[in-house]
Amino acid sequence: AQSVTQLGSHVSVSEGALVLLRCNYSSSVPPYLFWYVQYPNQGLQLLLKYTSAATLVKGINDFEAEFKKSETSFHLTKPSAHMSDAAEYFCAVSLISSGSARQLTFGSGTQLTVLP
Amino acid sequence: DAGITQSPRYKITETGRQVTLMCHQTWSHSYMFWYRQDLGHGLRLIYYSAAADITDKGEVPDGYVVSRSKTENFPLTLESATRSQTSVYFCASNMGQGQPQHFGDGTRLSIL
Repeated sequence: AQSVTQLGSHVSVSEGALVLLRCNYSSSVPPYLFWYVQYPNQGLQLLLKYTSAATLVKGINDFEAEFKKSETSFHLTKPSAHMSDAAEYFCAVSLISSGSARQLTFGSGTQLTVLP
Repeated sequence: DAGITQSPRYKITETGRQVTLMCHQTWSHSYMFWYRQDLGHGLRLIYYSAAADITDKGEVPDGYVVSRSKTENFPLTLESATRSQTSVYFCASNMGQGQPQHFGDGTRLSIL
């Protein structure tokens, strides 16, 4: 079974500081990995995805994530936080093998607060 | 406009009533999904569909019914609503394996 753990349900950073949101997954086979962002009263928007082409993945709004197989991690980073980055962030995993690859398993989310 | 739309956006109903949440997508995506979002649980899959007339249970299917007679529509029905089904419901769709899911804006359902 696949699962996702997001360390820290709340993260606060100052504007201009580095953003680091942690995600670890458990899967018996290499997965597809995704980061989504959710703004208040909206659905989830895709930030970036890992599909085995490259370990460092760049997404929208200067976010990026690095797939580390040895650590089973897919942490999300951004060099400099903006006030507009305040939102909830979800890591999700989907198995590459057929059968259940269509399903996403989500972490419980990390609420990012950006302080002025 | 292309996209995925959910209706209604907000719904208040009483326990024991039947309620149907609608989901419509214009991309002709094969797969569609229903999730519920609750504090501390992230998103949990209720049901999904691989194509018209093909549906399957997710993690938390009890108390819900789905149908998919047309590719573009995937309604979710609570046959006899309970307070524990108060939640925000999201519909999503994608083309299949490895493809990101695209989400609607959600339906906030309150059951009194």
